[in-house]
Amino acid sequence: NAGVMQNPRHLVRRRGQEARLRCSPMKGHSHVYWYRQLPEEGLKFMVYLQKENIIDESGMPKERFSAEFPKEGPSILRIQQVVRGDSAAYFCASSPRQGSTDTQYFGPGTRLTVL
Amino acid sequence: DAKTTQPTSMDCAEGRAANLPCNHSTISGNEYVYWYRQIHSQGPQYIIHGLKNNETNEMASLIITEDRKSSTLILPHATLRDTAVYYCIVRGIQGAQKLVFGQGTRLTINP
Repeated sequence: NAGVMQNPRHLVRRRGQEARLRCSPMKGHSHVYWYRQLPEEGLKFMVYLQKENIIDESGMPKERFSAEFPKEGPSILRIQQVVRGDSAAYFCASSPRQGSTDTQYFGPGTRLTVL
Repeated sequence: DAKTTQPTSMDCAEGRAANLPCNHSTISGNEYVYWYRQIHSQGPQYIIHGLKNNETNEMASLIITEDRKSSTLILPHATLRDTAVYYCIVRGIQGAQKLVFGQGTRLTINP
């Protein structure tokens, strides 16, 4: 059973460009979570999605960031007009259900570098 | 979710048991204790979780005190590949969707 997959693993963008990060959850998982880890800092929750629904986006920056999890295909985290401060590792996790007993399994992450 | 307190760093000799403590004195009755680790900026890896009873799996054992205010993660025979940052997370029904990561414990296994 393949784990959570993320691509690309490394992404380089110039300031002002758009970044698209993809996450394919584990088979049978319909809940996806995005976390961000800034350099030398801990992981911070960004957004939680189910298929076609955003459930909790309390950790998302108010501007330039958006996320979706369509009925078919991977979840996408989109960052418009990137700035240097967006350089970070972005991790996706998935779980089969929502709840405090449902373990989240993480992908390998996408490392975004903004020049 | 209850807050957790962990030592910033620990060392352990290869082949010995590594015991990582975590305090969660404000934990409530329906909150679980989860442990993850992150090896050198890879994605966090799930280790184990528990509510009140001690738990064991192929990776580790989790010992939760009777009052549930603290717990210990035990790696029985640490190897160099266990060098990582270990996160203790308390997760409850309220806000169960997200994991709140603290600074964790940086465990170094020495040869």
